[in-house]
Parts: sequence; C-alpha cells; structure tokens
Amino acid sequence: DPKIIQKPKYLVAVTGSEKILICEQYLGHNAMYWYRQSAKKPLEFMFSYSYQKLMDNQTASSRFQPQSSKKNHLDLQITALKPDDSATYFCASSPQGAETLYFGSGTRLTVL
Amino acid sequence: GDQVEQSPSALSLHEGTGSALRCNFTTTMRAVQWFRKNSRGSLINLFYLASGTKENGRLKSAFDSKERYSTLHIRDAQLEDSGTYFCAAEASSGSWQLIFGSGTQLTVMP
Repeated sequence: DPKIIQKPKYLVAVTGSEKILICEQYLGHNAMYWYRQSAKKPLEFMFSYSYQKLMDNQTASSRFQPQSSKKNHLDLQITALKPDDSATYFCASSPQGAETLYFGSGTRLTVL
Repeated sequence: GDQVEQSPSALSLHEGTGSALRCNFTTTMRAVQWFRKNSRGSLINLFYLASGTKENGRLKSAFDSKERYSTLHIRDAQLEDSGTYFCAAEASSGSWQLIFGSGTQLTVMP
C-alpha cells in the first residue's frame, strides 16, 4: 500500500484557472516537501514544511501556495495557471528534516 | 551552472554484469541520496549517505564530500533493476533542499 498518497494522478487545467494538488502521508513523518519535474529537467525543490510550518521556499511565484490543514497533509494550491506550470509535482516526506526522503507517485499536471 | 552532474545518462547492461553510476558535485555537499523510479512513477530511496560507503544486496554506494562525488555500483544486474536512477545531494548550507541529478536510464538485457 502506498504510504504517501497524491491525488489526482493526472490533472488537466485551462490557462488562468486554479487547482489544488492533494498530498497525504501515513508514515508518521514531521517534515513534508513539494518537488516539481518539468519535461527534460531534473526534479526541482519547491517547499519544505516541518510540523506544519514553512521551512524553505524556493518557488519564485506566489501563485504556488502550500496548505497544511493537518500534520500529515501538505496540499499545493496553484492559481492563475500557465502552460509553463505543466509538470509532474511530487510530494515527499521525511521523519525530520534533512533525512531519507520518501516520495509519492506524483500528480501530472497539464495546462492548456 | 548545474550543481549535480550525473553520468551516464543511459546505460545498457547484460544480466549478470555490473557497472557504476556517478554524480559529481560542483560544490561541497553535506549528504547524498540515491533513488530509483519504480513502475508506478514513485521514487524509491536506495541509500542515504553522509560519508563513506553503504551496501544493500547487489547495490553499493559511496560518497566523498571532499572530492565532491558519489557513486552507485550495481553488480550481477537483473532484469528488474531496469529503470531510472537519480542521485540527489544536500547542499551544506543547512537547507533541507535536495538537488537532483538528471538521472541514469538503466536497461538490463537478457
């Protein structure tokens, strides 16, 4: 059974719309992350959270907003979507920070 | 420029043989992790190293922070080892950010 659940697996959106990517982890971890992989690029770090607090933000745009309603949830809200936002978004977690990371299977977002 | 340079980008092996993947770092890194992407698209963690070497079955990894590289050795390759392998490094700045390599696509042939 997957311990990090990302929903949906595939998502198609129109330019200018808003979407929320869901991530839940059942590993009992205290740190959660978002990474993004665009076509032909390595995975890129976006955010890290610890105990529901933002630790690091490497995303230049405020259109990307993580939301942590519970300790084991870290959703990603993306507003005013652009075609360049098309990518696979991976959620990850670790027991604390800077340790072995466990990844979800990703949400593949396509913006038309 | 790229802080993590992974090579080769693609590798073909016959069953039973072995090879090594390598990541070079342009700056000093605090630790390295190696992952394999599975058939469902998830990244499976293979190793976490802050120094030295670790071995798990037919896989062995090494990390030299001073010399700025890490390797992943695969021996006695099996068909199920096929997939994409990634290294990812933690910069020494104290951030929890991992900087990923571009991946090595490994194909194991009968």
